[in-house]
Amino acid sequence: DAEITQSPRHKITETGRQVTLACHQTWNHNNMFWYRQDLGHGLRLIHYSYGVQDTNKGEVSDGYSVSRSNTEDLPLTLESAASSQTSVYFCASSVSQRPGQSYNEQFFGPGTRLTVL
Amino acid sequence: GQNIDQPTEMTATEGAIVQINCTYQTSGFNGLFWYQQHAGEAPTFLSYNVLDGLEEKGRFSSFLSRSKGYSYLLLKELQMKDSASYLCAVRLYNFNKFYFGSGTKLNVKP
Repeated sequence: DAEITQSPRHKITETGRQVTLACHQTWNHNNMFWYRQDLGHGLRLIHYSYGVQDTNKGEVSDGYSVSRSNTEDLPLTLESAASSQTSVYFCASSVSQRPGQSYNEQFFGPGTRLTVL
Repeated sequence: GQNIDQPTEMTATEGAIVQINCTYQTSGFNGLFWYQQHAGEAPTFLSYNVLDGLEEKGRFSSFLSRSKGYSYLLLKELQMKDSASYLCAVRLYNFNKFYFGSGTKLNVKP
């Protein structure tokens, strides 16, 4: 069965360290997204990609970067972790919406809980 | 900018009906999605509306009024397992990306 996985599921790191969160999907979806979820803020978009070599900033992209070298993976890197980046991170993927097709829900990975001390 | 509002928390009784509202102000609206999220888990897709009216899927129904920027999710015959957060998300036209509301935490009591 197709799926979307994230690793690690839990991570504790120190301020200033570089951290990379992995996201891997076997749906063969073009679109991939990274969100963070904090109490009172819901899901906020960090970065997204519509295909290989394509990356775009979301609404809370400062301090984060992504790269898309293949269809399956979109790793999220925190260049220098800060305590404000303590959060739960979700990766998601979807097919591209095409003319005549209206239905392209996002499928979410299980999440990574990151704590920055 | 995009603005999506939902009540923070609601409580309902097992077996009852509950309506969770969502209002939105967005540019380029192209569909509204509802997701369910149990504590500590990933969001999962529930329903989708792009045209005005009601979409029914078993115990769950979702309604959309584009002119009013308004949607609701209706849950019937509530079960304890329906205790979860419900997220409203708007998809923008031609961009394949979603904006999510903060979610409504639903507590179902016996």
